[in-house]
Amino acid sequence: GENVEQHPSTLSVQEGDSAVIKCTYSDSASNYFPWYKQELGKRPQLIIDIRSNVGEKKDQRIAVTLNKTAKHFSLHITETQPEDSAVYFCAASGRYGNKLVFGAGTILRVKS
Amino acid sequence: DTAVSQTPKYLVTQMGNDKSIKCEQNLGHDTMYWYKQDSKKFLKIMFSYNNKELIINETVPNRFSPKSPDKAHLNLHINSLELGDSAVYFCASSPAELASYEQYFGPGTRLTVT
Repeated sequence: GENVEQHPSTLSVQEGDSAVIKCTYSDSASNYFPWYKQELGKRPQLIIDIRSNVGEKKDQRIAVTLNKTAKHFSLHITETQPEDSAVYFCAASGRYGNKLVFGAGTILRVKS
Repeated sequence: DTAVSQTPKYLVTQMGNDKSIKCEQNLGHDTMYWYKQDSKKFLKIMFSYNNKELIINETVPNRFSPKSPDKAHLNLHINSLELGDSAVYFCASSPAELASYEQYFGPGTRLTVT
């Protein structure tokens, strides 16, 4: 089945700097790659997603890139703010497209 | 106007007991899920239902029995609770069976087994 690896497990950045989180997936049939943000004690919420027919997608300070050949995708957050501090999860839709397989998560700390 | 709600929010119980968690969504979605998030924050799917029909059962022990009385509700009953069942359980819903739609998560139920 699909396997998603996520790095780094923790990331500390200074406010205003950029943060990059990387994920690799194993199943070349996966075609949907969302990113979820989970604040402490809260529910995961979708922040951005990308489909396999697109190489890059941007939404204000957040962007996601996808390299299908290498089977990896990345989340880029620019001009980080303290409220960006959270756990970020990448996911892939797997071969049959009926479930999400999540990465292990990245704890992002933005220091002010 | 809660989209996906779960009850209870906290559940503390002893080993061997049986407990249930309830989930309701008012988004009109066809598909609902149960996820388990362990102490290391790892988020793993347990079950999914589409229009009351079980679609995914991720090799979960049969002490866990989901039940969907209608497409707006998905409950989780756990028999003979074990220490390793301690986790946060999230319910989620999405518009269709395919995973390529946004999933809306409930607030979670923190289960502690002592």
